[in-house]
Formats: sequence, structure tokens, C-alpha cells
Amino acid sequence: DSGVTQTPKHLITATGQRVTLRCSPRSGDLSVYWYQQSLDQGLQFLIQYYNGEERAKGNILERFSAQQFPDLHSELNLSSLELGDSALYFCASSVGGLSQETQYFGPGTRLLVL
Amino acid sequence: DAKTTQPPSMDCAEGRAANLPCNHSTISGNEYVYWYRQIHSQGPQYIIHGLKNNETNEMASLIITEDRKSSTLILPHATLRDTAVYYCIVRVARGSNYKLTFGKGTLLTVNP
Repeated sequence: DSGVTQTPKHLITATGQRVTLRCSPRSGDLSVYWYQQSLDQGLQFLIQYYNGEERAKGNILERFSAQQFPDLHSELNLSSLELGDSALYFCASSVGGLSQETQYFGPGTRLLVL
Repeated sequence: DAKTTQPPSMDCAEGRAANLPCNHSTISGNEYVYWYRQIHSQGPQYIIHGLKNNETNEMASLIITEDRKSSTLILPHATLRDTAVYYCIVRVARGSNYKLTFGKGTLLTVNP
């Protein structure tokens, strides 16, 4: 158990809908990262937040957005969902967000768009 | 981050040592070698990392060659639960590159 929690574990929805994925980092960690894992693209970095502020962006679609709240939990919002958005979404956390820090991953949310 | 090359798959007998190689011939002096593993769609699990010296922890050992162009992750006594995809990642120690860049990794299958 990494100490990172994610809810829900599974999510099934329809195209065009909007969903919110939630992540709680390890106690004391200020930085949260979101990754997407699909069959064809592998594990890809989406976005990072540090202490409530966006720190880095990866290949995140404009239909996707994220935020980190004062209690440090983070939410990833996916809108206008398409079939291709079906994937595993992982959240990771680290202490301070520096590049040499170890990231600890949560169990993921499996999203299925029908 | 430097690119890494790993074999797509490897087999190992239970109880034997599993030696997973990784080539990173373009690694820079300020880049660490990290190893993560992912057990069947679970979240990636951190294993170990190093810069130039060999490292050991309760999970594994990491051997980095003197020229730092390759490394080997050693699981000393593999068990069935070590069956997973193992990712070798090279990332800069400083600067603004915070993401982990995962390749395809090596699928290690531990056989009874």
C-alpha cells in the first residue's frame, strides 16, 4: 500500500459525459501527478500540481482539467468523453515535487467509455 | 530524459535470481536510473534508484556499470508475486522535468 488513494476504482460512462476522478496523496506529500495508461499509448504523464498550483503539463487534452485543493487532494475532470478516453488513470504523489523525488502511485481508476 | 532499452520479456524460475537489464547509452551525468514495476494493472510500484553507485534495498539491488550506459536490476530470490512489467526510467536529478517517462518495460514471468 503506497498511501495514495484514488476513487472510484471503476467508472463506466457514455460518450459525451463528464466524470471526476479523485486522488488523496500520501500524508505530508505536497505534489500530485496524474498519469493515463491506455493500451496503445502506455503510461503517459498528464499534469502535476504542487501545493495547489499547477507545476507541469504533459499530453493533457483540453477536455481534461485538474485541480488541487487546500487539503491537498486532487481531482481530474474529464469532459466530452470519447471512446478513446477509456483507460487507467493513476495518481502519484511526492513530498515536494522536485524532479529527483520518488513518486508513489495509487491503485488507479479504470474508466470505460461506452 | 535519456531513452532506455529493455528486453520485452524474460522468464525466471521461482527462487532464482532475476536479472533485468536496461541500456541507457545516452544518459547524462546528472540523470538517475529509476526502476518501477507494475503488477497487472495495479499502480506502478517504486523499487529502487541510483546515480552511479550500486544500490540495495529490501526489494532489489541495482548494478550500474562504470560508464553508466547500462544497469541491471536484480531480484535475488524471485517469487510468483514478482511477475510484473518492470520499467527502467532515466530522469534528470534537477530542473523542471518532473514527469516519469515510461517505456514499454520488461514483462518478467516467474515460473513455479
